[in-house]
Amino acid sequence: DTEVTQTPKHLVMGMTNKKSLKCEQHMGHRAMYWYKQKAKKPPELMFVYSYEKLSINESVPSRFSPECPNSSLLNLHLHALQPEDSALYLCASSQAGTGGEKLFFGSGTQLSVL
Amino acid sequence: GDSVTQMEGPVTLSEEAFLTINCTYTATGYPSLFWYVQYPGEGLQLLLKATKADDKGSNKGFEATYRKETTSFHLEKGSVQVSDSAVYFCASRRNQGGKLIFGQGTELSVKP
Repeated sequence: DTEVTQTPKHLVMGMTNKKSLKCEQHMGHRAMYWYKQKAKKPPELMFVYSYEKLSINESVPSRFSPECPNSSLLNLHLHALQPEDSALYLCASSQAGTGGEKLFFGSGTQLSVL
Repeated sequence: GDSVTQMEGPVTLSEEAFLTINCTYTATGYPSLFWYVQYPGEGLQLLLKATKADDKGSNKGFEATYRKETTSFHLEKGSVQVSDSAVYFCASRRNQGGKLIFGQGTELSVKP
C-alpha cells in the first residue's frame, strides 16, 4: 500500500463552522505533512509531524490546528476560517523526514470557505 | 535562503515534440533535487529525483541530470504525449532534512 488517503475530497464551510480534514497512510512513515496549495501555484508547507510530534509550524494562523493521534493518522482541524483560506489542502508522508527521501502526497481536500 | 527557479509556463507542445523545462536552484551545500508532477484534480507525484552531482534521474521517458557546475536540474523528454499534460514542479531539499523548496511550477499542455 503506497497511498496517502485524504478525506473528504471536497468541503464547503461557512466562516463560523468547525470542520476537520483527515489523512491516513499505512506505509510505516514517521513524518507527515500538511500543505496548502492555491490553483497552479506550488504547495506551501504548513506543518510537519515527526514521530508524532509537531516539528515545524510555518507560522500558520491558529484557526488551523493540526493533530497526529498516531503514526498513521493526521488531522487538520479548521475553525473560523476566512474566504482566503479556500485552497487545496494536501497531506504528505515520508519515511523519516530526512533530505533525500521522497514525499508521498494524497489527492487533497478542495476547501471552499463561504 | 534556498530557492528554486523554473521557466514560466504555460508551455504548449504538439504530440511527439521534444520537451525541456528549465530548473535552477540556489542552496547551501548540495541538496537533493526532485521533479514532481500534478495532473488535473490530483495531488503531486514524484516523477524523478537525484541526490548528488552528476546523478541522472529517469522515469516514464523523462530525464533530468543534477549539474552542480550550473546549479541546474532541467527536465527533458524526447517525445511528449497528450497524457503528459500537467503541472511540473522542480524542488530541492537539503540532505540534512528541512523543507522541500518548490519552484513556481510549469504548466504543460500537449495537443494532439
